[in-house]
Amino acid sequence: DGGITQSPKYLFRKEGQNVTLSCEQNLNHDAMYWYRQDPGQGLRLIYYSQIVNDFQKGDIAEGYSVSREKKESFPLTVTSAQKNPTAFYLCASSFRTWEGNQPQHFGDGTRLSIL
Amino acid sequence: GNSVTQMEGPVTLSEEAFLTINCTYTATGYPSLFWYVQYPGEGLQLLLKATKADDKGSNKGFEATYRKETTSFHLEKGSVQVSDSAVYFCARAHEGYQKVTFGTGTKLQVIP
Repeated sequence: DGGITQSPKYLFRKEGQNVTLSCEQNLNHDAMYWYRQDPGQGLRLIYYSQIVNDFQKGDIAEGYSVSREKKESFPLTVTSAQKNPTAFYLCASSFRTWEGNQPQHFGDGTRLSIL
Repeated sequence: GNSVTQMEGPVTLSEEAFLTINCTYTATGYPSLFWYVQYPGEGLQLLLKATKADDKGSNKGFEATYRKETTSFHLEKGSVQVSDSAVYFCARAHEGYQKVTFGTGTKLQVIP
């Protein structure tokens, strides 16, 4: 079955440490996204990528970095510059259309906490 | 700017009650509109969508009609079940970009 897989499910970061969250999809989707979810704030877009080797900043990109070397993979690195990284991180993917009318498919998320 | 506004929760209903969750959007043009559902500890799942004015999206007993004149996309269900307890997100697409703006979510709790 096609789907989108995030790992790990839970992740702990020490102060001053970078951590990388994995996101893999086998849906043949061109576009991939990273969101941060905090209680009461809905989803906020961190980065998105419309095609391999290209990505754009979302609304809250500071302290995060991404790469898109393969169509299937869009890892997110939470750097030490992100001072409040504790959150639920969601990865999504979709087909590309100009109208944006294709739904996004989501992984089950990674919960990041600070030690 | 382009935004999505949902009614605040939590919404608590008895089983078999009628559900309405309000959603309005600001936009130029005719963005595609979506409702997603999130169960505890999981990612979001598409519930339904509508891509043009007067379209009605429906799935699992839920419905929403794209109202251009009121810029609304309210979610309704005639008879909710305990298994419908979840957080519901309204969202709109951005034409020309592969981006979606989500509302803040409305938590629904259905009690037996």
